[in-house]
Amino acid sequence: NAGVTQTPKFRVLKTGQSMTLLCAQDMNHEYMYWYRQDPGMGLRLIHYSVGEGTTAKGEVPDGYNVSRLKKQNFLLGLESAAPSQTSVYFCASRARDRGRYGYTFGSGTRLTVV
Amino acid sequence: KQEVTQIPAALSVPEGENLVLNCSFTDSAIYNLQWFRQDPGKGLTSLLLIQSSQREQTSGRLNASLDKSSGRSTLYIAASQPGDSATYLCAVPGGYQKVTFGTGTKLQVIP
Repeated sequence: NAGVTQTPKFRVLKTGQSMTLLCAQDMNHEYMYWYRQDPGMGLRLIHYSVGEGTTAKGEVPDGYNVSRLKKQNFLLGLESAAPSQTSVYFCASRARDRGRYGYTFGSGTRLTVV
Repeated sequence: KQEVTQIPAALSVPEGENLVLNCSFTDSAIYNLQWFRQDPGKGLTSLLLIQSSQREQTSGRLNASLDKSSGRSTLYIAASQPGDSATYLCAVPGGYQKVTFGTGTKLQVIP
């Protein structure tokens, strides 16, 4: 029972480079999310998806793009990395019934932009 | 705007002690409330979820209660162990897919 799997776990980028973070879930969840966690700022929502083929902006979407071509996968892209994007990134998913089901989080990707 | 506060921010207890972590929220119109633990450098692990119609949930040594009218939830940990040392977060879903996370309680259980 894998749950939510994030790859890679660690990455160091140079300013201006691009990369894609992959999130995969095997629970058939409709909703998927990308968060970033920074010291003193808690978890902030970057983008989310309410179903295959849909995406929407969260609180801090600038500098990121996402895609949800398959229900089980949610990709987060950084087109031109900046030091301000140094953070720990978490993917989460949940089932449709918001009252009954909570969120399942991945183990995170620690990204450093130098 | 939903605000979620956790008290205390940090707690240090000797092994074996029973303890209570608190979570307060300002808007009582909630779908549910979820408790997580986060170990240093790790992700969030779900501990318990209390639906809005429920008063409490139990899992092993953990018991979470919910009082919507007073805007409070408590997480009770019985017979604490060093392995319980972590940061505990409560989370409250809101509108537009937003989740408001609490400020966290960093727990240290001393052997």
